[in-house]
Amino acid sequence: DIQMTQSPSSLSASVGDRVTITCRASQNINNFLNWYRQKPGRAPNLLIYAASTLQSGVPSRFSGSGSGTDFTLTISGLQPEDFATYFCQQSYSSRVTFGQGTRLEIK
Amino acid sequence: EVQLVESGGGLVQPGGSQRLSCSASGFTFSSYAIHWVRQTPGKGLEYVSSISPNGANTYYADSVKGRFTVSRDNSKNTLYLQMSNLRSDDTAVYYCVKDLLARPVVPTYRFDCWGQGTLVTVSS
Repeated sequence: DIQMTQSPSSLSASVGDRVTITCRASQNINNFLNWYRQKPGRAPNLLIYAASTLQSGVPSRFSGSGSGTDFTLTISGLQPEDFATYFCQQSYSSRVTFGQGTRLEIK
Repeated sequence: EVQLVESGGGLVQPGGSQRLSCSASGFTFSSYAIHWVRQTPGKGLEYVSSISPNGANTYYADSVKGRFTVSRDNSKNTLYLQMSNLRSDDTAVYYCVKDLLARPVVPTYRFDCWGQGTLVTVSS
């Protein structure tokens, strides 16, 4: 299976900050990379698919980039609701796999 | 508004069986592949199974193949997951998830809308 590795595992930031989360695949997945945000006690929700396409209704402060094996999620201008856990996921293979998550905490 | 509501979770003994249901509304259920994804604190998010819009094609993770069966009743807008020979490592919150696009056979595996989840605990 394709291994997805996120970094960092956790980070602290303040409202208004710009943060970047990285996801690395163990093999080339082209742009078959998706990002999710999971607020505490809630289900994940899709933010970005195909590495850089913003899902409908998702604020423009979220952006994604990358292809091949290295990908990033950037949040420009953190809002209180963004303090949550973020997951990447590859959909290149039907043997879908997720990253372990990055917990974003308030500094 | 798209809604997915899971039910059927609970406490089950090792080796036992359980059936989960997922009731869908707010979209044309029969046009979308639907997935099951589970989550545990230790192992994070794990893909479980998928079913094509007409139910003819099903997909499973190796960890559940031969033990779990996914099915759907499009006349009732309902998805099912029949779980048997349950093990302690099946303990998780199980989510029903809609695929992003209405594709007839092969899903995109982009997980668009998620239910609230139902907790399955396998323990004696």
